[in-house]
Amino acid sequence: EVQLVESGGGLVQPGRSLKLSCAASGFTFSNYYMAWVRQAPKKGLEWVATISTSGSRTYYPDSVKGRFTISRDNAKSSLYLQMNSLKSEDTATYYCARHKDWYFDFWGPGTMVTVSS
Amino acid sequence: DVQMTQSPSYLAASPGESVSISCKASKSISTYLAWYQEKPGKANKLLIYSGSTLQSGTPSRFSGSGSGTDFTLTIRSLEPEDFTVYYCQHYNEYPLTFGSGTKLEIK
Repeated sequence: EVQLVESGGGLVQPGRSLKLSCAASGFTFSNYYMAWVRQAPKKGLEWVATISTSGSRTYYPDSVKGRFTISRDNAKSSLYLQMNSLKSEDTATYYCARHKDWYFDFWGPGTMVTVSS
Repeated sequence: DVQMTQSPSYLAASPGESVSISCKASKSISTYLAWYQEKPGKANKLLIYSGSTLQSGTPSRFSGSGSGTDFTLTIRSLEPEDFTVYYCQHYNEYPLTFGSGTKLEIK
């Protein structure tokens, strides 16, 4: 059974950093592109980052480019999201998701990040 | 960027009825469209990809249609568990973007 479990969320002050983790199991992690998708309170879904199987290629929307970094450790079947220079508009639930083509066939339950002073 | 306009935002129906949700892209995306179901306390579920292909495990009462800019998710013979939120997503190019969501409520 495919399982994705996020961790690392919490309350952080504006301008500070936070690193999220996602533990994957039930599939060969190194064979799949992986992604982070977020959902602000009472809002829709927003794609945040994608990483290739080896980690050599990464993709971001303009809203987080230069501030967020996606990475992975295939030996540990883990995905990460380093978030720097956090803003109040980054407040959201962050989901780890597995890519199938360029959509997402499995999602984690999410971890909440609140950016507030 | 491709903008996805999803409508309606809210939809009320009764069990056993059929409903349709629309998703319009700001430019042609061929059939690079997926539909997801969101339920509180559960992981989001992929329902349909490539515009009309049912993901394994998706009940046959769900169907997707469309190509280019206009897409539709249809749910026939609504079951109680279908009353929740649905999103579309294009994957024609980066950035990947989602529709704003449709909340399906019991009438």
